Amino acid sequence: TQLLEQSPQFLSIQEGENLTVYCNSSSVFSSLQWYRQEPGEGPVLLVTVVTGGEVKKLKRLTFQFGDARKDSSLHITAAQPGDTGLYLCAGVWTPLVFGKGTRLSVIA
Amino acid sequence: GAVVSQHPSRVICKSGTSVKIECRSLDFQATTMFWYRQFPKQSLMLMATSNEGSKATYEQGVEKDKFLINHASLTLSTLTVTRAHPEDSSFYICSARKGRQVNQPQHFGDGTRLSIL
Repeated sequence: TQLLEQSPQFLSIQEGENLTVYCNSSSVFSSLQWYRQEPGEGPVLLVTVVTGGEVKKLKRLTFQFGDARKDSSLHITAAQPGDTGLYLCAGVWTPLVFGKGTRLSVIA
Repeated sequence: GAVVSQHPSRVICKSGTSVKIECRSLDFQATTMFWYRQFPKQSLMLMATSNEGSKATYEQGVEKDKFLINHASLTLSTLTVTRAHPEDSSFYICSARKGRQVNQPQHFGDGTRLSIL
């Protein structure tokens, strides 16, 4: 069984603060994905990281894939209320293996 | 981009009845479809994987006789919850993939909120 651990599980911050969410596994993944899910909707893919050490940026979001391809992080700069949601990392396997998620709340 | 449509988005039914949820890939052929269940404040848990034209593969602990999956065409998979029980109330999400290769992206539907009274 492929397991992905995410931390923290819950995060409540003020608008403008920075934050980092972590995704760790004992398994090596060929690639890893990050999703954001809002209440009552399906998850939406944010990014796929493929190469160990890879860094991808999506506006204020920075994603990094660990050198050993076992872990990843998501850093959000100057968080905004619109960033509120459930962030899920998923290891690309058959099928996708989801972490438990980080529920982020950004307070205006 | 690839679009997956789920219907209905919300359904309420009585205990003991059956309810069907549809998952359609609108602009691509989905060789493989996945059904997930998500309880409040939890992550997505895979229920089953279905490949077009063959029987679904169920995850451990998921009753195949209770959760019937049909993937009869390359654009449609259905999940039927039979003998519905209040414990089955959950958010059900499907996803579809063009091929069977791991690196093919999965595209998610918007989910179905099922409430059993």
